[in-house]
Amino acid sequence: DGGITQSPKYLFRKEGQNVTLSCEQNLNHDAMYWYRQDPGQGLRLIYYSQIVNDFQKGDIAEGYSVSREKKESFPLTVTSAQKNPTAFYLCASSIVAQGGLAEAFFGQGTRLTVV
Amino acid sequence: QQPVQSPQAVILREGEDAVINCSSSKALYSVHWYRQKHGEAPVFLMILLKGGEQKGHDKISASFNEKKQQSSLYLTASQLSYSGTYFCGTGSTNDYKLSFGAGTTVTVRA
Repeated sequence: DGGITQSPKYLFRKEGQNVTLSCEQNLNHDAMYWYRQDPGQGLRLIYYSQIVNDFQKGDIAEGYSVSREKKESFPLTVTSAQKNPTAFYLCASSIVAQGGLAEAFFGQGTRLTVV
Repeated sequence: QQPVQSPQAVILREGEDAVINCSSSKALYSVHWYRQKHGEAPVFLMILLKGGEQKGHDKISASFNEKKQQSSLYLTASQLSYSGTYFCGTGSTNDYKLSFGAGTTVTVRA
């Protein structure tokens, strides 16, 4: 079955440590996204990528880094520079159809807790 | 920059109607609507790509006013299954950036 997979589902991190969240898709989508979800703040865009080896900062990129070495993979690293990393993280992917972006598919999310 | 949604929350009885608004300070190329149930991933509802375009899915429809940089989602004759948080997403003309609003929580009661 085609889809987008995030792992792990739950992640605990000690303060000061970097941690990497995995996102893999087998939908052959060009565009991939990382969002952070906090109560009352909706989905805030961290980074997005249009093509392999290229990515752009979203609205809240500070303290995060990404890579796009393969079309199907878009891992997100939460660095120690991120002051408040505890949140729910969602990865998404989309195909670019004629006229613009098409439907975005979301993974099931990773809940990160800093302890 | 995130689009602005209103209202933040709405409570309905089954069969009632509601409107959710989405506006942007930047020129819009596309507007996307998603619904998220508690503990689940957001699910696609519809995309509007042209100014003035209206689309519908069952009794949920949407309009897009490109000049006003606004979109509205209409929930007609609401059902219990319509409960959830609705997000509008906005796409720009020159790249694949997709930004979402803070969401509108809809609660439909019997």
